[in-house]
Amino acid sequence: DVKVTQSSRYLVKRTGEKVFLECVQDMDHENMFWYRQDPGLGLRLIYFSYDVKMKEKGDIPEGYSVSREKKERFSLILESASTNQTSMYLCASSFPGLHYEQYFGPGTRLTVT
Amino acid sequence: KNQVEQSPQSLIILEGKNCTLQCNYTVSPFSNLRWYKQDTGRGPVSLTIMTFSENTKSNGRYTATLDADTKQSSLHITASQLSDSASYICVVSGIWEYGNKLVFGAGTILRVKS
Repeated sequence: DVKVTQSSRYLVKRTGEKVFLECVQDMDHENMFWYRQDPGLGLRLIYFSYDVKMKEKGDIPEGYSVSREKKERFSLILESASTNQTSMYLCASSFPGLHYEQYFGPGTRLTVT
Repeated sequence: KNQVEQSPQSLIILEGKNCTLQCNYTVSPFSNLRWYKQDTGRGPVSLTIMTFSENTKSNGRYTATLDADTKQSSLHITASQLSDSASYICVVSGIWEYGNKLVFGAGTILRVKS
């Protein structure tokens, strides 16, 4: 059974704090993704990684950075959290290739006050 | 611009009834289309996947259709159950140098009531 886990289900942080969201997958997937999900909008891609130490910007990378030091782990970093980063964050992983499914973690609901 | 639009935004039906959710897309070039089910507080889970050449795919009580000419898809749920209450997301995969880039619809929130 594919498993994608995220470090926290709920997180409350203050404006200006540095925030780390961690994602771990156990399927040896090359590709890993970070999305944010807001009401009325589809999931939007923040960053993705297709290999260890490799990263590419998605559609909305501003205010975020990522780290992938090991194949199974992909971290999303908010250098200085702001209230407009309050959202649900979803991590996903997949094999490379057009037809492979992306498997999602349970999500982290982040509130920035 | 690559977009996926879903309708309706939300839907309430009685247990045992059927319903159909719609998805229109403009993603090009097209690779495949998936329907995901997302329960409250959980990540999306894939229900079906269809490629360009397929026009129907079933998964139990879920049947997805695809018309690649009109760029429309539908998800039909038969004999709905309370556990079908969820958000249903249409996801279109475009061809991209690293594999598949997904474009997500905003989802249809389905509530099945007894």
